[in-house]
Amino acid sequence: DAKTTQPTSMDCAEGRAANLPCNHSTISGNEYVYWYRQIHSQGPQYIIHGLKNNETNEMASLIITEDRKSSTLILPHATLRDTAVYYCIVRAYSYGNKLVFGAGTILRVKS
Amino acid sequence: NAGVMQNPRHLVRRRGQEARLRCSPMKGHSHVYWYRQLPEEGLKFMVYLQKENIIDESGMPKERFSAEFPKEGPSILRIQQVVRGDSAAYFCASSPGQGVGYRPGGADTQYFGPGTRLTVL
Repeated sequence: DAKTTQPTSMDCAEGRAANLPCNHSTISGNEYVYWYRQIHSQGPQYIIHGLKNNETNEMASLIITEDRKSSTLILPHATLRDTAVYYCIVRAYSYGNKLVFGAGTILRVKS
Repeated sequence: NAGVMQNPRHLVRRRGQEARLRCSPMKGHSHVYWYRQLPEEGLKFMVYLQKENIIDESGMPKERFSAEFPKEGPSILRIQQVVRGDSAAYFCASSPGQGVGYRPGGADTQYFGPGTRLTVL
């Protein structure tokens, strides 16, 4: 699976949009971009995933560049409860493939 | 619709004892994964199972660790003769595989449980 690069940490003001970038310049055509988050030692929580089109669900939006070498996770109105470690993971399409977690980005939402 | 369930949530063992961690996947899910998170470290894949089969155990330590997912009942991660270095959070995830919740053309999304925190004294 392709390697990803994320900033170590980011701060965001409560109520503002949080934009978390991820670089995956070696992504292959059959690899998806997944985002998970882990709130203070809880189990990782699935947020969203996409292949090449932008995706939106009730939690977030995922913007993938046309060349697929990078993506941005957007939390439209961050709250204090969104403070967590956010993981960007690139994973080939095949059910059963393991998730390879990097260090992620520590997002701190401040009031 | 209950999520992935793990028990116990906290487990304390003395060195040399056995630890048994249980994972009940989401309803309709037939694939189970175990991950381990050592203190101050990232999550690491251990093993992937389907009902009655171990599919990928590339992340399992060679000794003392075993996993099963029987036809009936939860998946079990078993650690024999625990040592202090086994102290960690153990997370289970499940995915539907083909069938309920599977999205044709999409990858197989894994949903995690709350974890079991193992402390070895």
